[in-house]
Amino acid sequence: AQSVTQLGSHVSVSEGALVLLRCNYSSSVPPYLFWYVQYPNQGLQLLLKYTTGATLVKGINGFEAEFKKSETSFHLTKPSAHMSDAAEYFCAVSPWVKAAGNKLTFGGGTRVLVKP
Amino acid sequence: GAVVSQHPSWVICKSGTSVKIECRSLDFQATTMFWYRQFPKQSLMLMATSNEGSKATYEQGVEKDKFLINHASLTLSTLTVTSAHPEDSSFYICSASTTSHEQYFGPGTRLTVT
Repeated sequence: AQSVTQLGSHVSVSEGALVLLRCNYSSSVPPYLFWYVQYPNQGLQLLLKYTTGATLVKGINGFEAEFKKSETSFHLTKPSAHMSDAAEYFCAVSPWVKAAGNKLTFGGGTRVLVKP
Repeated sequence: GAVVSQHPSWVICKSGTSVKIECRSLDFQATTMFWYRQFPKQSLMLMATSNEGSKATYEQGVEKDKFLINHASLTLSTLTVTSAHPEDSSFYICSASTTSHEQYFGPGTRLTVT
């Protein structure tokens, strides 16, 4: 069984400030981890993913995330927020074991507001 | 690459009627397609998983007779909401996957039942 917890349903940051979105997961098997962004009335766009290898993952739009197994975390950061970063962000986990399929389990989402 | 489309993008239907939503992978063959439902300001809830040529696997609590899923080819899956009611109004999103663990999402379909 898997679960994902995103701490903070809303985050407000000033333009140019650090963006930090927290994600903790629970998984009985090694996980694949994902961050997605959703703009209003649109589908999800993949920001970045962790599968294996380097635990610091760089994605699109200047975002990066670090997989910390000991903390079961996969927090998303961006050094300097831009107005265009205002959106909903979802953390998701998928089981690494192929026999379990590749179903995604999503966190509750974090809405980011960027103040000018 | 890896583009997924949905049609229609939004639909309004009357209570008691059925509505079909199409999900297509435009530039790749999808071994698996997923259907999600998203209520306003909430996360995505997986409704069902479908593999080409086989019956869909529904998540617990999802009525398979109400939400009919057909995955006729490696590029097309359809979701039919039968005898729709206002409580079925929602944002429906599909995704398509190859043999990797990555899912590619469609733009979503907003269904309003009046």
